[in-house]
Amino acid sequence: SQQGEEDPQALSIQEGENATMNCSYKTSINNLQWYRQNSGRGLVHLILIRSNEREKHSGRLRVTLDTSKKSSSLLITASRAADTASYFCATDARPYSGAGSYQLTFGKGTKLSVIP
Amino acid sequence: EAQVTQNPRYLITVTGKKLTVTCSQNMNHEYMSWYRQDPGLGLRQIYYSMNVEVTDKGDVPEGYKVSRKEKRNFPLILESPSPNQTSLYFCASSFGGLETQYFGPGTRLLVL
Repeated sequence: SQQGEEDPQALSIQEGENATMNCSYKTSINNLQWYRQNSGRGLVHLILIRSNEREKHSGRLRVTLDTSKKSSSLLITASRAADTASYFCATDARPYSGAGSYQLTFGKGTKLSVIP
Repeated sequence: EAQVTQNPRYLITVTGKKLTVTCSQNMNHEYMSWYRQDPGLGLRQIYYSMNVEVTDKGDVPEGYKVSRKEKRNFPLILESPSPNQTSLYFCASSFGGLETQYFGPGTRLLVL
């Protein structure tokens, strides 16, 4: 089941510009995470934001979470060519029955291209 | 160095020939999981394990088996691979199912 959906699917910007990616989800969450994947390689964790947090920073990354709109955004400031990658959001999918254990579900990702 | 390792990294096999992809982590994580990644479908969870001898199905478990006999290892078994299991497979581990996931480098599988 798809919980998080990233938008846009692809984004192309010039080096030095800011890149913004969005993630929308359907049900209540405990936390939301952002990951980065360089072509064909393993995903690398960027930021985890909990449901009671609204904003978090890590270096050039800024993540916001709006639980009322069920959405999150990832902002990369002053982008570099090395930021070229796919970016995924991941949320916990609570079973509708309310029973069982939680697991993360990933969106399909935003493919970011930063042109030197 | 803290890491998740997978072997093999690349594998070409034929339909019906049983195979195992190994996954090992050295971070003493309790939670481990397997994902497959396909173009246009994103990352989908196959199986996960919350601890030794505790496993459960993810979103796409059909055609796969797992076992968790030791905390550090979580092998993925394809008893009778079929071409629709051609994919890029990732193992991941963490302290909890909802916490930061540490991913392996991936195993690219081609089933002919």
